[in-house]
Amino acid sequence: GENVEQHPSTLSVQEGDSAVIKCTYSDSASNYFPWYKQELGKRPQLIIDIRSNVGEKKDQRIAVTLNKTAKHFSLHITETQPEDSAVYFCAASKGDDKIIFGKGTRLHILP
Amino acid sequence: GAVVSQHPSWVICKSGTSVKIECRSLDFQATTMFWYRQFPKQSLMLMATSNEGSKATYEQGVEKDKFLINHASLTLSTLTVTSAHPEDSSFYICSARDLRGERGFFGPGTRLTVL
Repeated sequence: GENVEQHPSTLSVQEGDSAVIKCTYSDSASNYFPWYKQELGKRPQLIIDIRSNVGEKKDQRIAVTLNKTAKHFSLHITETQPEDSAVYFCAASKGDDKIIFGKGTRLHILP
Repeated sequence: GAVVSQHPSWVICKSGTSVKIECRSLDFQATTMFWYRQFPKQSLMLMATSNEGSKATYEQGVEKDKFLINHASLTLSTLTVTSAHPEDSSFYICSARDLRGERGFFGPGTRLTVL
């Protein structure tokens, strides 16, 4: 089955700087890659997603890149703000199949 | 649109009792619902996939006789934790897919504490 690896597990970034979280997946048939932000005790919130026919997608301060050949995808957050502090999960899915999550990255934005 | 609710939001029970958690898609029909479990400071681990009108598919290592899943309609799936023990204490989250097979929409989660 699909296996999603996520790095780093913890990331501390100075406010205003950029943060990058990287993931790899194992199943070449996966074609949908969502990123979620989860605050303590709450449900994961979809922040951005990308499909395998696209190499990059951007939404304001958030961007995601996908390298299908290498089976890598990354989340980039620019101009980080205190409210960006949370746990971020990458995930992978094959169309209408189940979504498999990475282990998460705890992002701390330092004042 | 695409709202998923869960009930209850939290529950505390004694060891040995059974607990039922409901997951509802409020404004769309969900052909498939997924149940996840999340322990503190860990990721979401998929437990099972339920399709309306058929038996659930369980992930490896998940006891189907302990975690009973019923997906009786296109808007409701239930997870029953039978004979709950303290190690079952966790955050249980459902996710529902609509008929177009679009991305999953997550419920708010149910925090189960077994004493």
